[in-house]
Amino acid sequence: NAGVTQTPKFQVLKTGQSMTLQCAQDMNHNSMYWYRQDPGMGLRLIYYSASEGTTDKGEVPNGYNVSRLNKREFSLRLESAAPSQTSVYFCASSSRFEAGGYEQYFGPGTRLTVT
Amino acid sequence: GEDVEQSLFLSVREGDSSVINCTYTDSSSTYLYWYKQEPGAGLQLLTYIFSNMDMKQDQRLTVLLNKKDKHLSLRIADTQTGDSAIYFCAEMDTGYSTLTFGKGTMLLVSP
Repeated sequence: NAGVTQTPKFQVLKTGQSMTLQCAQDMNHNSMYWYRQDPGMGLRLIYYSASEGTTDKGEVPNGYNVSRLNKREFSLRLESAAPSQTSVYFCASSSRFEAGGYEQYFGPGTRLTVT
Repeated sequence: GEDVEQSLFLSVREGDSSVINCTYTDSSSTYLYWYKQEPGAGLQLLTYIFSNMDMKQDQRLTVLLNKKDKHLSLRIADTQTGDSAIYFCAEMDTGYSTLTFGKGTMLLVSP
C-alpha cells in the first residue's frame, strides 16, 4: 500500500515548455486534489476531482489543466510554463472518517522550477 | 470567502508546551484540522475536531475550539525537537469537498 505517489519528484523547465505531473493513489478514494505551496502562502487548491469523471476549479486554476484518468490517477498539466508556476505541487486524495468528516492524504510533492 | 489565519513562527524550548493559534471565518465549517509538515515532505494529519466539540485530547496534543470567536488552538505538551515542523490549520467547507488551509506556523524547538 503506497498511499499517494507523485512523479517526478523534481523538474526544471524553461519558460514556455509543457509538462504533466502525475499522481496516483491505491486507497480506492473517490476524491483527489492538486495544491501548490509557495513560501508564506500555505497551500492553495488548483483543481479537484470529487469523483471519477468530474473535475472542478479551485482557488488558483489559471495556467493549469487536469485529467482524472480513472479512479486511481489524477494528472496536472502545465501547457506553457511560466516562472510564476515555480512551486511545490502536492497531490492528495481523501476518505471519509467513521465519524463523518474527511481526511486528506498527501503525496510527497513535486518541486518544479521554471526558468 | 473563507479565510484561515495563523501566526507564522513560534519558538520554544524542549520540554515546554507549545500553543499554536488559528482563526477562521466560515462559521458553517464542519470540521477543523491540524496538519504537520516536516522539511521536504508532504502534509500529515495530526488531529481534527468536529465543530460541535470544544475540546479534543490525543496523547500530547490538545485541540481547543471556540466557535463563538472562530478560534482554534493546538497545544503540544512536553514539546520535543522532533516536533519542529510547519503546522497548518485547515477548515472543511460545508459541501465536504475541499479544505482551506492557513499559511502555516513554523515551530522551532531548541534543546
